[in-house]
Amino acid sequence: GESVGLHLPTLSVQEGDNSIINCAYSNSASDYFIWYKQESGKGPQFIIDIRSNMDKRQGQRVTVLLNKTVKHLSLQIAATQPGDSAVYFCAENGAGGTSYGKLTFGQGTILTVHP
Amino acid sequence: EAGVTQFPSHSVIEKGQTVTLRCDPISGHDNLYWYRRVMGKEIKFLLHFVKESKQDESGMPNNRFLAERTGGTYSTLKVQPAELEDSGVYFCASSPLAGAYNEQFFGPGTRLTVL
Repeated sequence: GESVGLHLPTLSVQEGDNSIINCAYSNSASDYFIWYKQESGKGPQFIIDIRSNMDKRQGQRVTVLLNKTVKHLSLQIAATQPGDSAVYFCAENGAGGTSYGKLTFGQGTILTVHP
Repeated sequence: EAGVTQFPSHSVIEKGQTVTLRCDPISGHDNLYWYRRVMGKEIKFLLHFVKESKQDESGMPNNRFLAERTGGTYSTLKVQPAELEDSGVYFCASSPLAGAYNEQFFGPGTRLTVL
């Protein structure tokens, strides 16, 4: 079946370093991808998205890269701060079908930022 | 503007009992989604409402789960009778528009523990 998965379940970095979180997906028809951040006791919070007609998109301190050839997605966080510590999920949304909006999530990566 | 709210935040029940979770979406959001995350697994889609109608309930695990959205405002998710494997965090999300490219806003989740 379709799945969106992650290479690394945990990532520890020092404050100020750059972080890279990776995600693989299996559905070649996927056309929209989102990164979510989930802090303890809260629901997933939207970080950045990218459509399949793009290979890179930048936000504030975050960049998402999409490689459709190998079905790989990554989230880069520049100058990582302790407040970035959270679980990060990649998700795919709306690759055809009758139900738009159904999100398919990856397992999640725990990012820990050390001061 | 208030975000998505969920009640209760935590629920601990015995196997065989009934539990009802409630979600209040952001005012004016026609689309409401339920997801859940079982321990150690990824967040999985349960169902999608457009106003009071079920657009997609393909993720509902079995007939012990019943979701309603009378009047197209808040939604309830009832589990009856609850089983041990139902333990996890249940998230609700809402979005103003349907479609593949619209951000979903998540609530904080309800942590359900079935003993």
